[in-house]
Amino acid sequence: DIQMTQSPSAMSASVGDRVTITCRASQGVNNYLAWFQQKPGEVPKRLIYAASSLQSGVPSRFRGSGSGTEFTLTISSLQPEDSATYYCLQHNSYPWTFGQGTKVEIK
Amino acid sequence: QVQLVQSGAEVKKPGASVKVSCKASGYSFTNYLIHWVRQAPGQGLEWMGVINPSGGSTWYPQRFQGRVTMTRDTSTSTVYMELTSLRSEDTATYYCAREVEAPTANDALDIWGLGTMVTVPS
Repeated sequence: DIQMTQSPSAMSASVGDRVTITCRASQGVNNYLAWFQQKPGEVPKRLIYAASSLQSGVPSRFRGSGSGTEFTLTISSLQPEDSATYYCLQHNSYPWTFGQGTKVEIK
Repeated sequence: QVQLVQSGAEVKKPGASVKVSCKASGYSFTNYLIHWVRQAPGQGLEWMGVINPSGGSTWYPQRFQGRVTMTRDTSTSTVYMELTSLRSEDTATYYCAREVEAPTANDALDIWGLGTMVTVPS
């Protein structure tokens, strides 16, 4: 099974800060990598697919990058509504695996 | 509009089974795979497996093999996920989500159901 290691597990940042979340795969997943945002009590929402493609309707401050085994989700200017937990998902091979999540809080 | 509508919350005794439904609408049912993901309270997301509504083929991770069964009813565009031998650790919200059925589409889990809470008291 492919292990997905996300870092950090939690972070606190100020409005306007640049935030970077990393996801490392135990083996290559090509670019079959997606990022999801989940707010408390809500359904996960896809932000990025195919490692770097922005989901329609998602603000452009969210950017995905990377390939192979290392991927990054960047929020260029953190907004109050971005307070949430973020998950990566590899869907290159079964079983699919999620990262453990990164909780982003606003200072 | 495109949506996945799931069945309501369930409370089950240890050792019992639960069957959760996920009804698709607004798109061609057999053109998308349906995946199941669960989330225990305060925990992360866990992938449980997938069904292809077109032919009914399934894939389950080893940890759920023998306990989970996914089926579909093409006449009602509904997918079912049954989990047996329930234990308290199965208490979670269970989500269905779709993936376009194309070998290189790279377009997974764009639409999710609202989730079904399953509680198994200890």
